[in-house]
Amino acid sequence: DAKTTQPNSMESNEEEPVHLPCNHSTISGTDYIHWYRQLPSQGPEYVIHGLTSNVNNRMASLAIAEDRKSSTLILHRATLRDAAVYYCILRAGNQFYFGTGTSLTVIP
Amino acid sequence: DAMVIQNPRYQVTQFGKPVTLSCSQTLNHNVMYWYQQKSSQAPKLLFHYYDKDFNNEADTPDNFQSRRPNTSFCFLDIRSPGLGDAAMYLCATSRDQRALDGYTFGSGTRLTVV
Repeated sequence: DAKTTQPNSMESNEEEPVHLPCNHSTISGTDYIHWYRQLPSQGPEYVIHGLTSNVNNRMASLAIAEDRKSSTLILHRATLRDAAVYYCILRAGNQFYFGTGTSLTVIP
Repeated sequence: DAMVIQNPRYQVTQFGKPVTLSCSQTLNHNVMYWYQQKSSQAPKLLFHYYDKDFNNEADTPDNFQSRRPNTSFCFLDIRSPGLGDAAMYLCATSRDQRALDGYTFGSGTRLTVV
């Protein structure tokens, strides 16, 4: 099964950038890297995904290492509403298998 | 707005009493998934439907069953809930099995077993 490894928790000050790392050394050539976040008592919410090139959208940026064995989710300016558990996910077969996620605390 | 709706948001059931959780979607997606999420853990895939084809994860207990009567609805049946089945149950959809544009999740149903 595809696996991802993330730090259990991270902290960031409000208005500062946050870099959330993910290791996925067993990634195969066709696996997309997905990031979701989950606010308390809510279902996971799509953040961003990519295959090889770095990706940007209105929520975040995704930086993918050249060997694709790691990636970093970048929140450019953390707000209190960004406090959540962030999951880095690979597709194995046709399913998403969630890793343990990183709990992000944003400090006012 | 197109979305995935789970009802109810909170469900309390008695130990051993069958319970059904429901999920509906207005996205017209072909694939529907059920995940179980226990406290402070990541969601764990139970099974999914690709159209009418049911796909069970190898370690999903027999106590959990699912039905998909049509494209829009999917149900999770727990035949004899135990205390260990208390969790958040998440329904998700994707356009197709490749899911290149990701999954859309509902807000979940939190199940309490008393």
